[in-house]
Amino acid sequence: KQEVTQIPAALSVPEGENLVLNCSFTDSAIYNLQWFRQDPGKGLTSLLLIQSSQREQTSGRLNASLDKSSGRSTLYIAASQPGDSATYLCAVSYNTDKLIFGTGTRLQVFP
Amino acid sequence: ETGVTQSPTHLIKTRGQQVTLRCSSQSGHNTVSWYQQALGQGPQFIFQYYREEENGRGNFPPRFSGLQFPNYSSELNVNALELDDSALYLCASSSPLAEYEQYFGPGTRLTVT
Repeated sequence: KQEVTQIPAALSVPEGENLVLNCSFTDSAIYNLQWFRQDPGKGLTSLLLIQSSQREQTSGRLNASLDKSSGRSTLYIAASQPGDSATYLCAVSYNTDKLIFGTGTRLQVFP
Repeated sequence: ETGVTQSPTHLIKTRGQQVTLRCSSQSGHNTVSWYQQALGQGPQFIFQYYREEENGRGNFPPRFSGLQFPNYSSELNVNALELDDSALYLCASSSPLAEYEQYFGPGTRLTVT
């Protein structure tokens, strides 16, 4: 069964810390992997897309890495800010249709 | 460039009723996917439409159905509503020209009482 797991489920840190969010998937034959941000009660904002042939992607203070062979991805957030507080979701696809999501990491950054 | 839009924002229905949710895809995107997100969970794939045809379906019963129109907008219809259908319904659009990266709308919050 194709499953996605995210660790930790919740994280509370002081402003300025560098963070690592983890995502693992059971079937390594992915097509691509996306990281999303979701604010409470809102839709999903795409943060980074990594194709199966890529090892990492960067956008501003965010860096996502992909290790297909071990079925893992990490999202690194540098110099965290209170505005980064949200739920972060990892999702994989195995073809061009559905995304399979983890249950997310709920992040709180306090001043 | 117009993003993905959904209507209505919120909806309250009674068990047994039917509901239609609407989605307009991002400009240039010809593929629309629908997801159901229960509280505290990740979104679950319902189905995808490509060029007005269903192109993949998740583990949802037939009372969940959909349509895609020539302008690539889409509807999600749910018949015989159950209490467990209460959730945030998300629409996402994508395009083969954009590596199938999925862009999500703000969602419709459905409450079934």
